[in-house]
Amino acid sequence: KAGVTQTPRYLIKTRGQQVTLSCSPISGHRSVSWYQQTPGQGLQFLFEYFSETQRNKGNFPGRFSGRQFSNSRSEMNVSTLELGDSALYLCASSYPGTGDTEAFFGQGTRLTVV
Amino acid sequence: AQSVTQLDSQVPVFEEAPVELRCNYSSSVSVYLFWYVQYPNQGLQLLLKYLSGSTLVKGINGFEAEFNKSQTSFHLRKPSVHISDTAEYFCAVSSNTNAGKSTFGDGTTLTVKP
Repeated sequence: KAGVTQTPRYLIKTRGQQVTLSCSPISGHRSVSWYQQTPGQGLQFLFEYFSETQRNKGNFPGRFSGRQFSNSRSEMNVSTLELGDSALYLCASSYPGTGDTEAFFGQGTRLTVV
Repeated sequence: AQSVTQLDSQVPVFEEAPVELRCNYSSSVSVYLFWYVQYPNQGLQLLLKYLSGSTLVKGINGFEAEFNKSQTSFHLRKPSVHISDTAEYFCAVSSNTNAGKSTFGDGTTLTVKP
């Protein structure tokens, strides 16, 4: 069974640009969560989608958005990039998406904003 | 609201020595507890989880953790570490009221020295 796949693995963008990151969950998983990991802030929850609906949202500005498609694949978008957006973005999928279920993480997308 | 405190940011230990990584949590609702490990440039991998029942939980790679409700702790232990255990370890909580959203501690870097 394939794991969680995130693309691309590495990305370099310029301040002010926008970026889209992709996450393909494990087959059959309907919940996809996104996290931002930085040395200073640790792992911060961005949002979670379940069956194409945003079910939970963290405390990030509106520049951060996401969506989920009918096949459970998810994308997150960051507009008007800032230097502080440089981070490892991790996606996790789970089934059935209840609190007691393990989250399976992808390897992440390393975003560098210059 | 939920929070997780990992009491040690770095733990150096010699190979074959025992280790304990400490985690305290706070929550107004019942929670589920997890320990994840992250190797460099990788996503997170589940070590073990506590959902209910026996307070001593055994996980992969010889790790175990004990849930202590009165002290709101979930410390991770291993009786004899290997060089390959060098990694960052995260304690996390989730609940059914915030399904799909896990709250992570800041992580503990375990360094095993020969």
